[in-house]
Amino acid sequence: EVQLVESGGGLVQPGGSLRLSCAASGFTFSSYWMSWVRQARGKGLEWVANIKQDESEKYYVDSVKGRFTISRDNAKNSLYLQMNSLRAEDTAVYYCVRGQNGGRYPGDIYFDYWGQGTLVTVSS
Amino acid sequence: EIVMTQSPATLSVSPGERVTLSCRASQSVSFNLAWYQQKPGQAPRLLIYGASTRATGIPARFSGSGSGTEFTLTISSLQSEDFAVYYCQQYNNWPPYTFGQGTKLEIK
Repeated sequence: EVQLVESGGGLVQPGGSLRLSCAASGFTFSSYWMSWVRQARGKGLEWVANIKQDESEKYYVDSVKGRFTISRDNAKNSLYLQMNSLRAEDTAVYYCVRGQNGGRYPGDIYFDYWGQGTLVTVSS
Repeated sequence: EIVMTQSPATLSVSPGERVTLSCRASQSVSFNLAWYQQKPGQAPRLLIYGASTRATGIPARFSGSGSGTEFTLTISSLQSEDFAVYYCQQYNNWPPYTFGQGTKLEIK
């Protein structure tokens, strides 16, 4: 059974940092693109970042470029999101998501498995 | 960036009815379109990928169609457990991967 379990969320002041982790199990972690998707309370879904199997490619939504860093440790079946210079608008539930290739190119991915999410609150 | 627009924002329907949700892309995304269902307090669940292929374990009452810029999700006979928010997502032109704003199905 595929499982994705996020941790590391919490309350942080504006300008602060937080590191999210995602523990994956039930599949060959090193074979999949992985992503973070967030959702502000009462709002829709927003893709944040993703990372290729071997970390050779990483992509970010414009609003987090230069502040967030996605990484992974295939030996530990883990995905991470380092969030720096946090803003109030980063407040959301952050989901760890597995990417499944569905198109012509390797990064043409849809999201087939989701964790339960971890809440990040940026407030003074 | 490709903008995904879903309509309507909210749909009030009765159990047993047939319902069609729409998703429009600001430019062609070919068949690279997925649909998700989200219930309150839960993570989204994949329903459809490739515009029309049901994900594992998804009931046959859910069907997807379309290509290019116009897509639909149809639920043939609404069950009580289908009342939720539905999102479409394109994965043809990225980054970013973009979602529609969602359609909420509520009980009439």
